[in-house]
Amino acid sequence: GENVEQHPSTLSVQEGDSAVIKCTYSDSASNYFPWYKQELGKRPQLIIDIRSNVGEKKDQRIAVTLNKTAKHFSLHITETQPEDSAVYFCAATLDYKLSFGAGTTVTVRA
Amino acid sequence: DVKVTQSSRYLVKRTGEKVFLECVQDMDHENMFWYRQDPGLGLRLIYFSYDVKMKEKGDIPEGYSVSREKKERFSLILESASTNQTSMYLCASSTPDTYNEQFFGPGTRLTVL
Repeated sequence: GENVEQHPSTLSVQEGDSAVIKCTYSDSASNYFPWYKQELGKRPQLIIDIRSNVGEKKDQRIAVTLNKTAKHFSLHITETQPEDSAVYFCAATLDYKLSFGAGTTVTVRA
Repeated sequence: DVKVTQSSRYLVKRTGEKVFLECVQDMDHENMFWYRQDPGLGLRLIYFSYDVKMKEKGDIPEGYSVSREKKERFSLILESASTNQTSMYLCASSTPDTYNEQFFGPGTRLTVL
């Protein structure tokens, strides 16, 4: 099956700075890469996604890049704000099944 | 607005008990999923179902079974609960399209004593 590795496991940033989370996947057949955000005590929610035929996608302060050759993808958050503090999960999709990374706990310091 | 609900937020059971976790979605989604979430391990797929009475094993099906008798309801069953099944259990649903979002329920925190 698919194996997704995510780094770093924790990330502390100053408010206003950028945050970058990186993920790698093992199966070149994976074709969809969503990112989920989980605030403390809440359910995971999709924040951005990218398909395998696209290299980059941006939505306001968040962006995702995909390098299919290297089998890695990244989440970029610019101008971080306190409400960005959460656990972020990357995932890779193969045959409807999502394989998740272990998660990154992002803390934005005021 | 998609709504996925789970029968309990918190559950405490004893070793050896049979445990039922229920999940209901109201958006007529074909796909439903059960995950367990553990610190440092992310979300791991236990089972999923792509149609009524259809099921497929995920990455960690051992010790679990599922039932899907109606489209909107997907049950996770622990035949004989063990302490290593203490975890957060999340249900999700989606349409069959590969590129569609999975919508998660609020989770059930299960403790097995």
